[in-house]
Amino acid sequence: DSGVTQTPKHLITATGQRVTLRCSPRSGDLSVYWYQQSLDQGLQFLIQYYNGEERAKGNILERFSAQQFPDLHSELNLSSLELGDSALYFCASSLSGLNNQPQHFGDGTRLSIL
Amino acid sequence: GESVGLHLPTLSVQEGDNSIINCAYSNSASDYFIWYKQESGKGPQFIIDIRSNMDKRQGQRVTVLLNKTVKHLSLQIAATQPGDSAVYFCAENNNAGNMLTFGGGTRLMVKP
Repeated sequence: DSGVTQTPKHLITATGQRVTLRCSPRSGDLSVYWYQQSLDQGLQFLIQYYNGEERAKGNILERFSAQQFPDLHSELNLSSLELGDSALYFCASSLSGLNNQPQHFGDGTRLSIL
Repeated sequence: GESVGLHLPTLSVQEGDNSIINCAYSNSASDYFIWYKQESGKGPQFIIDIRSNMDKRQGQRVTVLLNKTVKHLSLQIAATQPGDSAVYFCAENNNAGNMLTFGGGTRLMVKP
């Protein structure tokens, strides 16, 4: 058990809808990261937050947004969903936002768009 | 569980043998590397990491080797067990923030 908690485990919705994925980092970790894992793209970095502030952005679509709250949990919001958004979404956390620190992953949310 | 990539390279080994999983990374500026293990239905699990000022690091039953000259990383698993069956990913941190860039993964299958 990595200590990173993600909910829900599974989410099924329709095109055009909006969903929110939730992540609680490991106790003591200040930085959270979101990754998308799809069959054709592998694991791709989306966005990083450190202590409530956005720290780095990857290939995240404009339809996606995230935030980190004062209690350090994070939410990833996906809107105007398309079939291609079906994927596994993982949250990871690390102690700080500094480079060269291990990231520990949750077990993900499987998003299926019908 | 879901399949993590339908066309992953696969390494098949006999239980008790040693396994070597290889990874080529692309960015010569990367200075930190991690190996992850992903089992079906689970997230990537941290195995071992190595910084670029080292060329070898050992853990429990695992060893990571780093060759910066050819940008190559390997994970050696000693006395492979059925519980080692999973997909293994290497990840690099290119020092432009703490984001990780993942390789495509290798599926390890352990035959009893």
